[in-house]
This record gives sequence, structure tokens and C-alpha cells, in this order.
Amino acid sequence: NAGVTQTPKFQVLKTGQSMTLQCAQDMNHEYMSWYRQDPGMGLRLIHYSVGAGITDQGEVPNGYNVSRSTTEDFPLRLLSAAPSQTSVYFCASSDQDVRYSRQQETQYFGPGTRLLVL
Amino acid sequence: AQSVTQPDIHITVSEGASLELRCNYSYGATPYLFWYVQSPGQGLQLLLKYFSGDTLVQGIKGFEAEFKRSQSSFNLRKPSVHWSDAAEYFCAVGLSGTYKYIFGTGTRLKVLA
Repeated sequence: NAGVTQTPKFQVLKTGQSMTLQCAQDMNHEYMSWYRQDPGMGLRLIHYSVGAGITDQGEVPNGYNVSRSTTEDFPLRLLSAAPSQTSVYFCASSDQDVRYSRQQETQYFGPGTRLLVL
Repeated sequence: AQSVTQPDIHITVSEGASLELRCNYSYGATPYLFWYVQSPGQGLQLLLKYFSGDTLVQGIKGFEAEFKRSQSSFNLRKPSVHWSDAAEYFCAVGLSGTYKYIFGTGTRLKVLA
């Protein structure tokens, strides 16, 4: 049971390049989410998903796309990277019952991807 | 608007001393409250959570937190800090009805030997 895995661990991009941050979980969780962590700002929600084919925006969605074709995978796409997207990105999953948005369940976090956009 | 405030950016304590990390939230509905810990270069790990019942919650690694509705607070405490507790601590609120969580800005704990 690997939990939540993220690849790559570190990436350097040039402005305007695109890339996909990968996230996978093997816990059969319906709920998955992406956060970015910036100094002095804590974690901010980018996008989340409550199951295959269902995604929605979080607090800071601009510049990012997501899709959820399987329960296991939740990739985050940067279509045209900007220096403002330099950050550490965390993927998380939760075993909450997505029929209800009680938000009382534990989130399990991946180890993070450190992204530098030049 | 919903928010989570951790007023202390950095805290330094001596090993063996007691610890209290502050967390205040602003949310009109029933709050679901969490404390997570992040060791350097790692993801976040849950320490404890509160969603109903006893307002004093016990967590892992000897941590506890007390929910005070009247003060909109959920402070984290530990009676005796160990050097391995040096990390960054995040308070979070689950926003019922939204599928969203919001996090505080974190408190970085330094432990002196």
C-alpha cells in the first residue's frame, strides 16, 4: 500500500512550457485534491475531485487544469507555465463518503512536487 | 468569508518545555477542525481532528487540542516537547457543504536542546 504518490519530485520549467504533475493513490478514495504551498501562505486548494469524471475548482484554479478518468489518478496540468506558479504542489486523497460534503475526514498527502518556473 | 488564522509564524521552545500553538477560525457553520504536521521535505500528516463530541481531542505523538466554540479556537498543546517535534504545524477547517478545506499559514516550531 503506497498511499499517495507524486511524480516528479522536482521540475524546472521555462515560462510558457507545459507539463503534467502526476498523482496516484491506491486506497480507493473517491475524493482527491491538489494544493500549492507558498511561503507565508500555507496550503491553498487548486482543484478537487469527488470521483471519476467529476472535478471542481478550489481557491486558486487559474492556470491549472485537471481531469479524473480513473479513481486512482488525478493529474494536474500546467498549460503555459508562469513564474508565479513556482511552488510546492501537494496531492491529497480522503476516504470521505462523497455523497455528503461533511469534510470531516482525514486527508492523506503525497510527498510533494517542487516546481521552479524560470 | 471563511478563514483560518495561525498568529504565530515561528515559535521556539526548549526541549521538555510545554507547547501551545494557536489557531482561530472564522466559519459560520459547524467546523470540522484538523491539525497537521509537516516535517522538512515531507507531505502533511494528520495529528488530530475534531468534528463532534468531547471538545478535548487526543492525537498522535502526545499532542492534544481543545475546541472552544465561544472563542472560535482550536489550540494545539503538548506537555513536554521533544527535539523530534521540530516541524511546521498547520491548522485546517473542513467546510461542510463545499467539499473544500482551508488551511492556516502554518507555525514553524524550533526546539532547543
